[in-house]
Amino acid sequence: GENVEQHPSTLSVQEGDSAVIKCTYSDSASNYFPWYKQELGKRPQLIIDIRSNVGEKKDQRIAVTLNKTAKHFSLHITETQPEDSAVYFCAASLNNDMRFGAGTRLTVKP
Amino acid sequence: EPEVTQTPSHQVTQMGQEVILRCVPISNHLYFYWYRQILGQKVEFLVSFYNNEISEKSEIFDDQFSVERPDGSNFTLKIRSTKLEDSAMYFCASSVGWGETQYFGPGTRLLVL
Repeated sequence: GENVEQHPSTLSVQEGDSAVIKCTYSDSASNYFPWYKQELGKRPQLIIDIRSNVGEKKDQRIAVTLNKTAKHFSLHITETQPEDSAVYFCAASLNNDMRFGAGTRLTVKP
Repeated sequence: EPEVTQTPSHQVTQMGQEVILRCVPISNHLYFYWYRQILGQKVEFLVSFYNNEISEKSEIFDDQFSVERPDGSNFTLKIRSTKLEDSAMYFCASSVGWGETQYFGPGTRLLVL
């Protein structure tokens, strides 16, 4: 089955700096790659997603890139703010079987 | 904005007991899912459900688990003979179509004593 690796496990940045989180996946047939933000005790919330026919997608301060050949995808957050502090999960999906990475705890220091 | 809802928010049960976790997916969504998240760990896929049938399930989803859509709005996860290691947050999710964005409910925190 699909295996998703996510790095780093923790990331601390100064407010205003950029943050990058990277994921790799094992099944080349996976075709949908969402990113979820989870605040403590809350549900995962979708922040951005990308499909395998697209290499890059941007939504304001958030962007995701996908390299199908290398089977990796990344989340980029620019101009980070303290409210960006949360755990971020990447996921890879084939059909409706979605597998998550282990999560990255992002801390944005004011 | 419509949301997935789940009840109860918290459930405490004795080991060996059966529990039923309930979810109301977003009304026009056709695909439903259950996930598990052990405290401090990643979200784990359990099962997906469409047209009153399981469409995908993970290795975690063994005979101890079952899912059902008992009526037009609810989607349930039954855990038989609960074990200590079943203690986790259980999230329901739904999507409008196959391979579409999944929206998560607030979760049910299950504690097995």
